[in-house]
Amino acid sequence: ELKVEQNPLFLSMQEGKNYTIYCNYSTTSDRLYWYRQDPGKSLESLFVLLSNGAVKQEGRLMASLDTKARLSTLHITAAVHDLSATYFCAVGHNNDMRFGAGTRLTVKP
Amino acid sequence: EAQVTQNPRYLITVTGKKLTVTCSQNMNHEYMSWYRQDPGLGLRQIYYSMNVEVTDKGDVPEGYKVSRKEKRNFPLILESPSPNQTSLYFCASSFSGSMAEAFFGQGTRLTVV
Repeated sequence: ELKVEQNPLFLSMQEGKNYTIYCNYSTTSDRLYWYRQDPGKSLESLFVLLSNGAVKQEGRLMASLDTKARLSTLHITAAVHDLSATYFCAVGHNNDMRFGAGTRLTVKP
Repeated sequence: EAQVTQNPRYLITVTGKKLTVTCSQNMNHEYMSWYRQDPGLGLRQIYYSMNVEVTDKGDVPEGYKVSRKEKRNFPLILESPSPNQTSLYFCASSFSGSMAEAFFGQGTRLTVV
């Protein structure tokens, strides 16, 4: 059974700092997705990673995928308050995506 | 505008009273699915559909039914809701299951008392 583990589950950062969210999964997959959810809102797609070594960047966020280690990371550079949200990774598996529990990120001034 | 539309957004109901949450997408996606979101558990898949008249169970299908009579619509039916089905529900669609990013509806917050 595919398990997807994110850590940390809660992250409080100061503006300007860097940090990394980790997403580990238990079985082979070469499709990894990152989503963002603002409080009370729906999920919005951030990154689609489709191969080993894939790296995508958008603003202060950078996502990478290591399929051999079954690990994806979401790196935050010089955090700003607007990045406060919950971030989910999801792993493509058979006919669906299996989601991690989410990382609730709070960026403080 | 490409979107997934769920209705209602909020619903309070009583135990045992049948209800339907509608979901419609305008992107001609073949794949649609339903998730429930509970604190600390992420999103768990309830049912999915690969195409019209093709549906299958996800991880937590008990107490739910779905149908896919048209490509654009994928309603979620609770025949006899119970308090443990109180949750936030999301409908999603994509070109192809796990092969493409999913587009999510705005969510339906359901409370069963």
